[in-house]
Amino acid sequence: NAGVTQTPKFQVLKTGQSMTLQCAQDMNHNSMYWYRQDPGMGLRLIYYSASEGTTDKGEVPNGYNVSRLNKREFSLRLESAAPSQTSVYFCASRGSGVREQFFGPGTRLTVL
Amino acid sequence: GQQLNQSPQSMFIQEGEDVSMNCTSSSIFNTWLWYKQDPGEGPVLLIALYKAGELTSNGRLTAQFGITRKDSFLNISASIPSDVGIYFCAGQNSGGSNYKLTFGKGTLLTVNP
Repeated sequence: NAGVTQTPKFQVLKTGQSMTLQCAQDMNHNSMYWYRQDPGMGLRLIYYSASEGTTDKGEVPNGYNVSRLNKREFSLRLESAAPSQTSVYFCASRGSGVREQFFGPGTRLTVL
Repeated sequence: GQQLNQSPQSMFIQEGEDVSMNCTSSSIFNTWLWYKQDPGEGPVLLIALYKAGELTSNGRLTAQFGITRKDSFLNISASIPSDVGIYFCAGQNSGGSNYKLTFGKGTLLTVNP
């Protein structure tokens, strides 16, 4: 099993450009999460999906949209990137009946 | 919202020394998780704690769920160079189907060989 995979690994955007960060898990988990990590801030929840077909806002959702395409995939979209969205983005997943979340390797995004 | 205070922010130690770090919360959690993040990688789960007072070990790592449910600590014994990284605590309330995590800001550990 690959666990949680994320693409791309690195990305540089110009202000105003759009892009979609992809996440997939092969553990048959119901719940998936998107976090951003900034220096000295820890990880902050952007959006999550408790199950296929549902999505909810987390702590810092402004400027982002998400799509739970199917049980395996959960994408994060930046419609008009801003320098404040320069960060490392992590996707995580969690199985039913368990409390632990498992993380992907991250996408490092720079917005110029 | 809930806040976690994790300390210390950073530690510089010699190989072989023991390490202790802790997290305190302004509110109660049902679960405490400890993660380690290596440079350029995602967080990896080290230890999960589910009950107040619980003490759990994973090799040289020991973590405890505080009896008040508002704190947790992680100890690393006999540190080695590969222990270098950022350690995060995370608290969780399993309300409904959310199981959202609140993270501390991390402890950066440097081990001098």
